[in-house]
Amino acid sequence: NAGVTQTPKFQVLKTGQSMTLQCAQDMNHNSMYWYRQDPGMGLRLIYYSASEGTTDKGEVPNGYNVSRLNKREFSLRLESAAPSQTSVYFCASRAGTASSHLNIQYFGAGTRLSVL
Amino acid sequence: QKEVEQNSGPLSVPEGAIASLNCTYSDRGSQSFFWYRQYSGKSPELIMFIYSNGDKEDGRFTAQLNKASQYVSLLIRDSQPSDSATYLCAVRNQGGKLIFGQGTELSVKP
Repeated sequence: NAGVTQTPKFQVLKTGQSMTLQCAQDMNHNSMYWYRQDPGMGLRLIYYSASEGTTDKGEVPNGYNVSRLNKREFSLRLESAAPSQTSVYFCASRAGTASSHLNIQYFGAGTRLSVL
Repeated sequence: QKEVEQNSGPLSVPEGAIASLNCTYSDRGSQSFFWYRQYSGKSPELIMFIYSNGDKEDGRFTAQLNKASQYVSLLIRDSQPSDSATYLCAVRNQGGKLIFGQGTELSVKP
């Protein structure tokens, strides 16, 4: 009954370091998403994957890359971390495709990232 | 203009009162609307969704949608201290993306 699982929960990086945030869902969902949440900014979409093998940019993709490894897993990579990427990152998934409007989006517990 | 806008608050109401949270959106083709609750340090959890004009009730929560005015609201009746959280309005736009407002912080005072 795990739902959406994110690792790690916390991470501190130095400027210029790279890292990959992992996300896996066990609900057989087609679509997966990466958001970042900053104070007073709500959730902003970084990248999404409407189905296995496809990825698309969201509102704030610069500085990030993603991989939809298989139907279950969607990873987010920071190639050269910057202090502006200090944020809370949430992965989400939902059953439908991008065009189906009713399916509910479920969120992971989040990754709290600090870049010094 | 932001695609989804909420009053950031904080909104403070006494225990037992009705809390009213509001949200406007800019994409007229948006088809579905969601309210998420987020406790401090936690992930968002869905509490209501609505896709037809009018009211939808679920326990103490009522979602209201007016597509002509591009307005969606959430009413919480008999507010409890446990309702204190940030409430995020989310709108699925014509492109299928879920766009979030900045959230309204609600504080229910005992």
